[in-house]
Amino acid sequence: AQSVTQLGSHVSVSEGALVLLRCNYSSSVPPYLFWYVQYPNQGLQLLLKYTSAATLVKGINGFEAEFKKSETSFHLTKPSAHMSDAAEYFCAVKLYNTDKLIFGTGTRLQVFP
Amino acid sequence: DAMVIQNPRYQVTQFGKPVTLSCSQTLNHNVMYWYQQKSSQAPKLLFHYYDKDFNNEADTPDNFQSRRPNTSFCFLDIRSPGLGDAAMYLCATRGTSGGHEQFFGPGTRLTVL
Repeated sequence: AQSVTQLGSHVSVSEGALVLLRCNYSSSVPPYLFWYVQYPNQGLQLLLKYTSAATLVKGINGFEAEFKKSETSFHLTKPSAHMSDAAEYFCAVKLYNTDKLIFGTGTRLQVFP
Repeated sequence: DAMVIQNPRYQVTQFGKPVTLSCSQTLNHNVMYWYQQKSSQAPKLLFHYYDKDFNNEADTPDNFQSRRPNTSFCFLDIRSPGLGDAAMYLCATRGTSGGHEQFFGPGTRLTVL
């Protein structure tokens, strides 16, 4: 079965520090890959997506992610954390022949002043 | 703006009392999803519609039903809510003519007393 692994259920950074949230997927065929952000009591908002075009994907709020096929990874980064980035982040994959997303377990990002 | 709307945002019901959650969309997407999300967990797919075709997940309890009377609206019916059904319920849509991402509504938080 396909799976998505997010290493680290909690990540804490200082404001202004680099943010790195890890995501690895298991698939023999590169899937479509997504990062979503969820603020408390809100739905999921799409941050960025990889759909077999450029391997370095830029998203909203200064986030970007790089698709690395050899490592089956799609890690999310932001050069400088802001207090407003504190939220839950979900990595998700979609295979070509399905309608469904497979979610990782999520990473809660805390940003300290 | 085109969007996914969920009503109500907060719903309180009594143990065993049927409840209906509503989702509407102005995106004209032909796929609609219902997810259940419990605290600090990833969203769990309950079922989805591809146009009028209903697709139930194998582990979705019979207590959960859904209706999609037209493209814009989709309802989640919980016939006899139990305490374990208290959760955030998320509606999402996807268009099949464009990208592969899902667009989420703000969610309905269900409390069961």
